[in-house]
Amino acid sequence: DTAVSQTPKYLVTQMGNDKSIKCEQNLGHDTMYWYKQDSKKFLKIMFSYNNKELIINETVPNRFSPKSPDKAHLNLHINSLELGDSAVYFCATRTSGSSYNEQFFGPGTRLTVL
Amino acid sequence: DAKTTQPTSMDCAEGRAANLPCNHSTISGNEYVYWYRQIHSQGPQYIIHGLKNNETNEMASLIITEDRKSSTLILPHATLRDTAVYYCIVRSHNNAGNMLTFGGGTRLMVKP
Repeated sequence: DTAVSQTPKYLVTQMGNDKSIKCEQNLGHDTMYWYKQDSKKFLKIMFSYNNKELIINETVPNRFSPKSPDKAHLNLHINSLELGDSAVYFCATRTSGSSYNEQFFGPGTRLTVL
Repeated sequence: DAKTTQPTSMDCAEGRAANLPCNHSTISGNEYVYWYRQIHSQGPQYIIHGLKNNETNEMASLIITEDRKSSTLILPHATLRDTAVYYCIVRSHNNAGNMLTFGGGTRLMVKP
């Protein structure tokens, strides 16, 4: 049973399109994250979300928006895709009940914008 | 969160101990040292964390200097599957959202 899963694994799309990446976790965690890893392999936090608050990294364009239909899912919506959005996107989860910060990551979604 | 400095890359012979250093000279008293690794084409994986004392778990050992300005992650018997990028992260436990800030990491190559 995969703890944190993402769909699709690969996504190729044209500039200007709107797309979504899905993240699902079966760990019962209440906090979920989205990270972006660019071509230079730097891993950057985009959002932190639990059922109480959304924290946004100030560098993230407002074309990106996380949406959580329920506690097990945090989907990433991207509007008006740009070439620079090409990257691998990772979802991660954590339980706020833990005293430390062990995050569990999904396998990643490789987004290619043409 | 305090900044960390790690060597860009390291090699280790299979079966030998891999010692990965991390410098965090600006660490403050309430900040913990975390280690994650990322195997090629996978998401990052938590390894270990510590505050002051040395820590050991089934994956690795973490040695933190007395002044807490540096630490070393030790993989006691490296295998080929330990080839990965290892990230040292310093953060407090009251960081808003508990978000992790990853640096460049150390690319560890375990060789036969």
